[in-house]
Amino acid sequence: AQSVTQPDIHITVSEGASLELRCNYSYGATPYLFWYVQSPGQGLQLLLKYFSGDTLVQGIKGFEAEFKRSQSSFNLRKPSVHWSDAAEYFCAVGAGTYKYIFGTGTRLKVLA
Amino acid sequence: SQTIHQWPATLVQPVGSPLSLECTVEGTSNPNLYWYRQAAGRGLQLLFYSIGIDQISSEVPQNLSASRPQDRQFILSSKKLLLSDSGFYLCAWSRQGNYGYTFGSGTRLTVV
Repeated sequence: AQSVTQPDIHITVSEGASLELRCNYSYGATPYLFWYVQSPGQGLQLLLKYFSGDTLVQGIKGFEAEFKRSQSSFNLRKPSVHWSDAAEYFCAVGAGTYKYIFGTGTRLKVLA
Repeated sequence: SQTIHQWPATLVQPVGSPLSLECTVEGTSNPNLYWYRQAAGRGLQLLFYSIGIDQISSEVPQNLSASRPQDRQFILSSKKLLLSDSGFYLCAWSRQGNYGYTFGSGTRLTVV
């Protein structure tokens, strides 16, 4: 069955430090992969997506993610975190034409 | 450009009362529409999705129902709310195919 795992429930980093949020998926075919960000009490905003081609994808707000088929991973990275990046981050896989499976999210805290 | 509207933003309802949450999309036609629920500290649970007018699929059997009376209108309803219906409800739309969702700003429902 398709699934998405975000092994880190909470992550705390200092402002200016680098960030990597982990995402592992289970899907039989070539996946469509997404990262979303949610600020408290808000909807979700798409950060980036991977459909095919270059396995390193660039997104908004300075984020990037790398698709590694051999590891079934799609980790999100940012070289230097800003205090405004504090939010909850969700990884998702397109599990068919109409449905998506989301991970349980990683809550990022940024220390000044 | 496309926009998605979801209301109300917050709602406090007594147990046993009815519910109606509305979501509309502008600037596109024949969107796929979705209702998700996000419980505190948990990921997103797909409740319903629709690929066209009066075409609703339910993912999780529960106390809720959905309707799509017009192409760009998606309504989430309940005849009698339960305490367990409390949560953050998100509407989303996508084009046909896996192009990523656009989410509404959400409705915080508290059943008391």
